Amino acid sequence: QKEVEQNSGPLSVPEGAIASLNCTYSDRVSQSFFWYRQYSGKSPELIMSIYSNGDKEDGRFTAQLNKASQYVSLLIRDSQPSDSATYLCAAQNSGSARQLTFGSGTQLTVLP
Amino acid sequence: DVKVTQSSRYLVKRTGEKVFLECVQDMDHENMFWYRQDPGLGLRLIYFSYDVKMKEKGDIPEGYSVSREKKERFSLILESASTNQTSMYLCASSYPGQTYEQYFGPGTRLTVT
Repeated sequence: QKEVEQNSGPLSVPEGAIASLNCTYSDRVSQSFFWYRQYSGKSPELIMSIYSNGDKEDGRFTAQLNKASQYVSLLIRDSQPSDSATYLCAAQNSGSARQLTFGSGTQLTVLP
Repeated sequence: DVKVTQSSRYLVKRTGEKVFLECVQDMDHENMFWYRQDPGLGLRLIYFSYDVKMKEKGDIPEGYSVSREKKERFSLILESASTNQTSMYLCASSYPGQTYEQYFGPGTRLTVT
């Protein structure tokens, strides 16, 4: 069974701090990884994808991938109250439609 | 922008009813997916389709079927709804580009009483 595990949280950080969200995956064949943000009562929204080892930056978000350790992380710099949401990590498999396996999510609260 | 729409935001059905959930995407995406999301269990894949009339079972297909007669439309069918199918249902689509990013519809919250 392919698994994606996230630090369970909930995670609280003060406004302006760096929030660090972590994820491990079990399937070594997975090549691409995704971070989604989900506000309460809403559907997941794609914020980052990463498929190469190392860091990928997009504004205040940095995704990090270490395939040897099977580890993916998301850093949110200068956290804002509007970043308060559940963050979902997903690993893509090699199936016909490149299906995703999702972690159960980490709930982040940014305190003003 | 990718647009994925679902036929209802909220739906209440009775046990034993046949339920249809519809999903439409406007970006000519090849792949479409149905998930359910439950507290503590995360997003679980029910069925997916990689082409018209092509479908594959996901992780939890029992009690569900799907139909894809046109590329833009993917339907999830609950043949005989049961209370344990009360959930949030999410449709997504993706294009076979470099990373196959999936985009989600707004979701349908189904309650079976």
